[in-house]
Amino acid sequence: DAGVTQSPTHLIKTRGQHVTLRCSPISGHKSVSWYQQVLGQGPQFIFQYYEKEERGRGNFPDRFSARQFPNYSSELNVNALLLGDSALYLCASSLPGEETQYFGPGTRLLVL
Amino acid sequence: EDQVTQSPEALRLQEGESSSLNCSYTVSGLRGLFWYRQDPGKGPEFLFTLYSAGEEKEKERLKATLTKKESFLHITAPKPEDSANYLCAVPRSGGYNKLIFGAGTRLAVHP
Repeated sequence: DAGVTQSPTHLIKTRGQHVTLRCSPISGHKSVSWYQQVLGQGPQFIFQYYEKEERGRGNFPDRFSARQFPNYSSELNVNALLLGDSALYLCASSLPGEETQYFGPGTRLLVL
Repeated sequence: EDQVTQSPEALRLQEGESSSLNCSYTVSGLRGLFWYRQDPGKGPEFLFTLYSAGEEKEKERLKATLTKKESFLHITAPKPEDSANYLCAVPRSGGYNKLIFGAGTRLAVHP
């Protein structure tokens, strides 16, 4: 079975630009969560979506937004990019009612 | 405040030298403690979920244990391929699918 997939794998942007990252969950998983991982730190929770609704948001500015589609895939959008947004962005999915999350390979974003 | 602290930050072992990694947590109403393995530049790979104090789970050379305040990941006779960053996480209080991670323990196993 295919795991969580994310695209693109790598991305280079300049300050002020916007970016869209994509995630497809494991088949049958309806919950998708997004995390940001800065080098040397553990992942930090950004958003959680379930059944196309936002169910939680971490301590991130309004420049960060996300949505979930009817097929349960998800997009993370970041506007007005800052140098500090450079990180590995991770998507995770889980079965309904379960806490165990399975992560994708991540998208490495570099902001210059 | 919910918190996860891992120690040591980094650990260097010789092949075959057993050791343990520590994860201390503070959260109201634990709904699971998760261990992940992360290789450089990749996403975390799920290892174990522990739900209650006294629970133990094993996979190859790894064994995870849980108490009311901390979890240990025991590595028996490690091999170089066990080198990775090991992350510990718990769900946020009152949250669902919102994990709080520790900073991880970077394990290096040398031949």
